[in-house]
Amino acid sequence: EVQLVESGGGLVKPGGSLRLSCAASGFTFSKAWMSWVRQTPGKGLEWVGRIKSKTDGGTTDYAAPVKGRFTISRDDSKNTLYLEMNSLKIEDTAVYYCTTDQAVAGTILFDFWGQGTLVTVSS
Amino acid sequence: SYVLTQPPSVSVAPGKTAKITCGGNNIGVKSVHWYQQKPGQAPVLVICYDSDRPPGIPERFSGSNSGNTATLTISRVEAGDEADYYCQVWDSSSDHGEVFGGGTKLTVL
Repeated sequence: EVQLVESGGGLVKPGGSLRLSCAASGFTFSKAWMSWVRQTPGKGLEWVGRIKSKTDGGTTDYAAPVKGRFTISRDDSKNTLYLEMNSLKIEDTAVYYCTTDQAVAGTILFDFWGQGTLVTVSS
Repeated sequence: SYVLTQPPSVSVAPGKTAKITCGGNNIGVKSVHWYQQKPGQAPVLVICYDSDRPPGIPERFSGSNSGNTATLTISRVEAGDEADYYCQVWDSSSDHGEVFGGGTKLTVL
């Protein structure tokens, strides 16, 4: 059974930093493409960024609102995904989900999701 | 960038059929995926590649996609189907390809 468990959320002041973790199990983590998707309170879903598997280059890609401030990394020895968030803004307040990605036939979907961790940016 | 438009809400009586639409420019040429999100829970993939059901998803859930509209259909609606539903596509012409619709709240009367 695929399990994704996020942690590390909390309250942080504007301009501050936070690191989220996502512990994965039930699948071959090293082969998976992984994403972070966020959901602002009462609003919809927004893709944050992705990291490919090392065999596919291990490259990262980010949404424009977080590019240059957020960094996604992975530790395949620990089956863990990370999201380093710097220069946080009030508008980054959201529940952050980690997901497994399925990239097939010219499309990408998010087939498994963690339970999410809440990040609140407030003074 | 590519925009997906969903109605904010749909209401249906138990046992009836609910249809949730997702509009986009020529969406029929893209693969559409649908997610169900119950209150306080994470999204769950319920339809992928327009009309495929992942393992464990009831046959009551089906999808179609043509022209400028994709549709999620839920037959014999149950109280437990009450949730937010989001469509999603990957669009190569967007700044980044991952695009979500704004979501539709399904209310079971």
